[in-house]
Amino acid sequence: EADIYQTPRYLVIGTGKKITLECSQTMGHDKMYWYQQDPGMELHLIHYSYGVNSTEKGDLSSESTVSRIRTEHFPLTLESARPSHTSQYLCASSELGVYYGYTFGSGTRLTVV
Amino acid sequence: SQQGEEDPQALSIQEGENATMNCSYKTSINNLQWYRQNSGRGLVHLILIRSNEREKHSGRLRVTLDTSKKSSSLLITASRAADTASYFCATHNNAGNMLTFGGGTRLMVKP
Repeated sequence: EADIYQTPRYLVIGTGKKITLECSQTMGHDKMYWYQQDPGMELHLIHYSYGVNSTEKGDLSSESTVSRIRTEHFPLTLESARPSHTSQYLCASSELGVYYGYTFGSGTRLTVV
Repeated sequence: SQQGEEDPQALSIQEGENATMNCSYKTSINNLQWYRQNSGRGLVHLILIRSNEREKHSGRLRVTLDTSKKSSSLLITASRAADTASYFCATHNNAGNMLTFGGGTRLMVKP
């Protein structure tokens, strides 16, 4: 059972709207990540964080921003949603160090109309 | 860019049969991990194999790693309908910053 929570589960929003996807974890993990995944396709890393006040961009160019003010919270914000942002967004967390698996949330499926 | 590539992209088998999925990667790795994703959900971590290990078991799962060929395989024995899902390999590079995922194998187990 995952201890990482994403809200909302589904979101349909109009073009140009500002949206924030929420992600919270209760495991005290230092590292957190946001991945974007189109249905049936590979995951692309868009942002990650090593801890409070740390944020880094991933491999996929993204018009989103993230913040990490608290260890447990890693929200993703799109300032102006576009149809090209339609996708599934997955949040994950892990302990520091490389020999740990990631714990994923259930994802937010975003549709921009 | 995609580090891992799974093969086959899709696999359909009967319940009770074994399922084998392969993963190839391009650069040196610290470890390789396998994940399962049920339709429309998040990924679940299955198993991690370090670069100095050759084989690892967990229940009905068996993972092998051949660093000389830059490849790994995941074997699910005595498959069940509940094993129907997509399976992804992911590699941790030596810098250890993050995991890079492949495109996944979609497994269907028919009852």
